[in-house]
Amino acid sequence: GDSVTQMEGPVTLSEEAFLTINCTYTATGYPSLFWYVQYPGEGLQLLLKATKADDKGSNKGFEATYRKETTSFHLEKGSVQVSDSAVYFCALPRIQGAQKLVFGQGTRLTINP
Amino acid sequence: DAGVIQSPRHEVTEMGQEVTLRCKPISGHDYLFWYRQTMMRGLELLIYFNNNVPIDDSGMPEDRFSAKMPNASFSTLKIQPSEPRDSAVYFCASSQRTDLYGYTFGSGTRLTVV
Repeated sequence: GDSVTQMEGPVTLSEEAFLTINCTYTATGYPSLFWYVQYPGEGLQLLLKATKADDKGSNKGFEATYRKETTSFHLEKGSVQVSDSAVYFCALPRIQGAQKLVFGQGTRLTINP
Repeated sequence: DAGVIQSPRHEVTEMGQEVTLRCKPISGHDYLFWYRQTMMRGLELLIYFNNNVPIDDSGMPEDRFSAKMPNASFSTLKIQPSEPRDSAVYFCASSQRTDLYGYTFGSGTRLTVV
């Protein structure tokens, strides 16, 4: 089945720094790709998604581009804030069209003021 | 829409007691998922339902765990008897078309078994 590998954390940055969290996937076909964010004490929330190759998902200043050539979906933000401190998960359906997601192990991000 | 609603938010129980976690999915979502999250193991899928029918329970740790979905608006995860190693955050999620829209998660139930 399909799988996803995320950059290991934790990642610590200063406020206003540029952020990249790497995510690469193995898939048959071109499944949708997702980034979820989990703030302390909360459930996971969908941050952004891309449903086909070359699509760019964006939300709250975060972006990720579905790159089939490199099988990647890296999460980026140009200027992070303390409030972005959270755990970020990359995910895709178990197999294309499946209703069950496979999650990466999560990357913990801490932003210092 | 109120989102996925889980109760209780926190549960502290003694070893050997029965614990029941509850979930109300988003109306119209045909799929419901139960996950467990711990520091050691991360996110683990326990079981999921489609139209109230269990589809895959291969992640249920052992016979002490059981899950039901008696109707489209309610599901329970029961642990009997509970053990300290069951301490974790349990999440419920629902979806309409996961492959297009992903899941919507609840806020979770933090279970502590002492």
